[in-house]
Amino acid sequence: GAVVSQHPSRVICKSGTSVKIECRSLDFQATTMFWYRQFPKQSLMLMATSNEGSKATYEQGVEKDKFLINHASLTLSTLTVTSAHPEDSSFYICSARDFKGTMNTEAFFGQGTRLTVV
Amino acid sequence: GNSVTQMEGPVTLSEEAFLTINCTYTATGYPSLFWYVQYPGEGLQLLLKATKADDKGSNKGFEATYRKETTSFHLEKGSVQVSDSAVYFCALRGAQKLVFGQGTRLTINP
Repeated sequence: GAVVSQHPSRVICKSGTSVKIECRSLDFQATTMFWYRQFPKQSLMLMATSNEGSKATYEQGVEKDKFLINHASLTLSTLTVTSAHPEDSSFYICSARDFKGTMNTEAFFGQGTRLTVV
Repeated sequence: GNSVTQMEGPVTLSEEAFLTINCTYTATGYPSLFWYVQYPGEGLQLLLKATKADDKGSNKGFEATYRKETTSFHLEKGSVQVSDSAVYFCALRGAQKLVFGQGTRLTINP
């Protein structure tokens, strides 16, 4: 299957700083990317959906000014956690999909990023 | 809205045991159904899928059948291995978004 690369896999940052997570589709054009957050032993919570070249659509309760999403190209989306605090510590996972004009295309997931804010 | 309910874990089995992880869903229209697997510290990998009623998805010995009448997509495997230890997520996709169940942690003991 297609490959989605997420970087970094782990990051530790100080409270108040910003962290950027990258998500790249390596062998296909990702018209849509999704960002999820996963708390320990819980399911994935969709944070936002981004389509290339347009603003991300955030799910209810997700602060768009805190979690900045950029999808400037068909192979790269970034999530920036601004002014991070310990409660932002979590596992963040991206997913990418190329619609190719049909709804049956598969979404591929990155490896995830473990963010720890100290 | 759409939702997925999974059998709660954790589930612990011995090697070569039969596995069933229940999954039921609520959705409008005709969603596609998926099972994803997550190994420790990693993202999700698609295990199998079914896009319409009565379809059977299968991969690596795992199977699940899309049952519209019971709104279910139970995951089964006839003989599990230690390497199957992971967290399994049932999911559905309506228009664009994937909706996940809460996940079931599976541990297989040798």
